Amino acid sequence: DTGVSQDPRHKITKRGQNVTFRCDPISEHNRLYWYRQTLGQGPEFLTYFQNEAQLEKSRLLSDRFSAERPKGSFSTLEIQRTEQGDSAMYLCASSLGGQGSNYGYTFGSGTRLTVV
Amino acid sequence: GNSVTQMEGPVTLSEEAFLTINCTYTATGYPSLFWYVQYPGEGLQLLLKATKADDKGSNKGFEATYRKETTSFHLEKGSVQVSDSAVYFCALSDPNTGNQFYFGTGTSLTVIP
Repeated sequence: DTGVSQDPRHKITKRGQNVTFRCDPISEHNRLYWYRQTLGQGPEFLTYFQNEAQLEKSRLLSDRFSAERPKGSFSTLEIQRTEQGDSAMYLCASSLGGQGSNYGYTFGSGTRLTVV
Repeated sequence: GNSVTQMEGPVTLSEEAFLTINCTYTATGYPSLFWYVQYPGEGLQLLLKATKADDKGSNKGFEATYRKETTSFHLEKGSVQVSDSAVYFCALSDPNTGNQFYFGTGTSLTVIP
């Protein structure tokens, strides 16, 4: 078990471009979460999946953001028409069922997005 | 609603000093409480947790006790090391659904030799 993997680690993009990030959770974890962390702040919830179903989305997730988990394994987070305000660390986490609420998530190392 | 408030940083301590990082929370039910640690350039790692009132979470010399009466979960360590330098986040899990965590803003700790 290699933990939660995220790719790429860093991404620099020009304003208006589309970007896509990938997350590979721990293999036996059926829940997958995306969080966003801006400089000097704690992570903020974006969305989560149970298997391939996206069950909850934060109001932070504007219509420029879309997340998928097509086979209930890895997930992608796409941001269309990026804006400078999208610059942040995007964190992925996974857990086994609802155990995350009691046992905590396992986080990946994150993808740092810089929009110039 | 749910929220977590942490003491402002940054905190700078000498090696072997005593550490306290204050955390208080607001929740609509009975949350589980967590401390996460983030080293430079890395994601968050679970440090310790407590799932009900009066529970004490502990790990690597760090401790925190779930105090329902004061809605607090303060992090303590008796003797810090240089390797403890990191950002520490207090968090709670949504008591109604457990589907998302609410994090504090983080407290940066620097330990000097």
